[in-house]
This record gives sequence, C-alpha cells and structure tokens, in this order.
Amino acid sequence: EAGVAQSPRYKIIEKRQSVAFWCNPISGHATLYWYQQILGQGPKLLIQFQNNGVVDDSQLPKDRFSAERLKGVDSTLKIQPAKLEDSAVYLCASSQTGGWGPQHFGDGTRLSIL
Amino acid sequence: RKEVEQDPGPFNVPEGATVAFNCTYSNSASQSFFWYRQDCRKEPKLLMSVYSSGNEDGRFTAQLNRASQYISLLIRDSKLSDSATYLCVVNPRGFKTIFGAGTRLFVKA
Repeated sequence: EAGVAQSPRYKIIEKRQSVAFWCNPISGHATLYWYQQILGQGPKLLIQFQNNGVVDDSQLPKDRFSAERLKGVDSTLKIQPAKLEDSAVYLCASSQTGGWGPQHFGDGTRLSIL
Repeated sequence: RKEVEQDPGPFNVPEGATVAFNCTYSNSASQSFFWYRQDCRKEPKLLMSVYSSGNEDGRFTAQLNRASQYISLLIRDSKLSDSATYLCVVNPRGFKTIFGAGTRLFVKA
C-alpha cells in the first residue's frame, strides 16, 4: 500500500512570498489532515477534510492560509503572504475511519522563511 | 490548563530499563487515544492505539484511566532503537485531534 505522498520536501522562501504544498493521501482514505509542527512542539491541526468538505479549520490562520481538496482526493495548502513565524514542518495525514481513527503521515514539507 | 499535557523529559535510561510516560487530557468527552513515535526530523508514526481495557504489543503496554483522564505508555526492556519522541494523541469525537508536545526518550548503552 502506497503511503501519503507530499511535495516538495523542502522549501525556502522570503517573507511576504507565497508557497504551496501538495498532498496525496492513501487510496480510499476519506479524511485528510494538514498539521503544522514547529520545532520542539507537537503537530498542531490546521485543517481537517472529510472527502472534499471541511470538518475543522478552527486553527487555520485564514488571513494567510488556505487549503482545498478538490474531488475529495489530493489537497493543497497555500500560504500567502508568508511570515517568519510560519517556518515549520507541514505534515499531511490521512485516515480511513473518519476523525477518530489512527492517522498515517507523509514525510512532511520543511519550510524555512528568510 | 493545556488540552493535552505530557512531561517533555528528556528521559535518559540505560538499555534494558523499564520506562513509563503519562499523558493527561482535559476533555472528558474524548473517545479515542493513541501513542505515536517520532524520530528526529521524521514524521510521526503510529505506535499503538489505547483501548479502555489496556493493551499490550510486545514490550509496549498502553493504559487508559478515564476517571483521572490520563493515558500511559510503558516500555519494558528498553532498546537503543527506542530512542525517539513519544507523542500522545487525543481524539474527542466531533472535535479536533490534539497532539501532546511529546516526551523525549534517550536509551543509552
């Protein structure tokens, strides 16, 4: 079974620029999550999709972050404009059993803002 | 009070030791619980789910105490390869998934 795919693995941009991340979940997994993990902290949920609908985005900074999951499969997360404090690892995860089952993570995208 | 709290450690133990981590949560409506393992600069990986009756997987034992609102992870006969950060995850049905900040474990020869 193929795992969760994310790209790019690394990204370096200057503040105020924009950046986008892509995620392809495990086939058949209806629930997709985007997390932000800052060094030394646990992952923080940014947004959760069930198929192509948003279940929770209460911690997504909507003035600069946006996410979509077209056709209920792949998803993109965008930051525009980026701030220094957005430097983090952005993790995508998927699960089969909805919002309460075990999650499988991709390798993550390490974002550095200069 | 944080929604999910873990002792950050680090825990430094010799090979063969037994070590235990606790994780407390504040939402009594929490329905599912997990322990994940995260190696340095890697993604979290599911270690085990935590069931109400407690469960064991080899050298690892997980327990849930709903009355006191905590879960625990016990590692017996520690190996060098157990060195990692252990994250507890609480998933209240209908609410967002919450990760603890993690407990760092170093197992030394």
